[in-house]
Amino acid sequence: EVQLVESGGGLVQPGGSLRLSCAASGFTFSSYSMNWVRQAPGKGLEWVSYISSSSSTIYYADSVKGRFTISRDNAKNSLYLQMNSLRAEDTAVYYCARAYGDIDYWGQGTLVTVSS
Amino acid sequence: EIVLTQSPATLSLSPGERATLSCRASQSVSSYLAWYQQKPGQAPRLLIYDASNRATGIPARFSGSGSGTDFTLTISSLEPEDFAVYYCQQRSNWPPIRFTFGPGTKVDIK
Repeated sequence: EVQLVESGGGLVQPGGSLRLSCAASGFTFSSYSMNWVRQAPGKGLEWVSYISSSSSTIYYADSVKGRFTISRDNAKNSLYLQMNSLRAEDTAVYYCARAYGDIDYWGQGTLVTVSS
Repeated sequence: EIVLTQSPATLSLSPGERATLSCRASQSVSSYLAWYQQKPGQAPRLLIYDASNRATGIPARFSGSGSGTDFTLTISSLEPEDFAVYYCQQRSNWPPIRFTFGPGTKVDIK
């Protein structure tokens, strides 16, 4: 069974940093590209970042480019999102999501709240 | 940048009725269109990929159609567990890879 479990969310002040992690199991992690997708409270879904299976290709949404960094460790079956210079508008549930063409599995998400 | 528009914003129906949800793209996305279901407090679940293919374990009452710019998700007979928000999503199939979601259609109980 595919499982994606996010961690690392919490309350952070504007301008602060946070690192999210996603532990993957139930599939060959190193064979799949991965994504982070977020959802602000009561709002729709917004794709944040993509990383290929070998980490050779990385893309970001314009809203986070230059502030967020996606990475992965295939030996540890883990995906990460380093978030710097956080803003109030970054407040959201952040989902780790596997992609095989389309996004086919999602974690349960971790809540990031940016507030003073 | 491709923009997805979903209509209606809210669909009020009774169990057993047919639901027809629309997704329109600002330019052609070929068949690279997916549909997701999201219930309160839960992660989205993939229903349909490549416009018309049901994902693993998805009941046959869910079907997708369309290509180019106009797509439809049909739920042939609503079950109580189908009342949720539905999102369409397109993916770029060439660099840069990115995913774009529509604003969602809420299907609620009439």
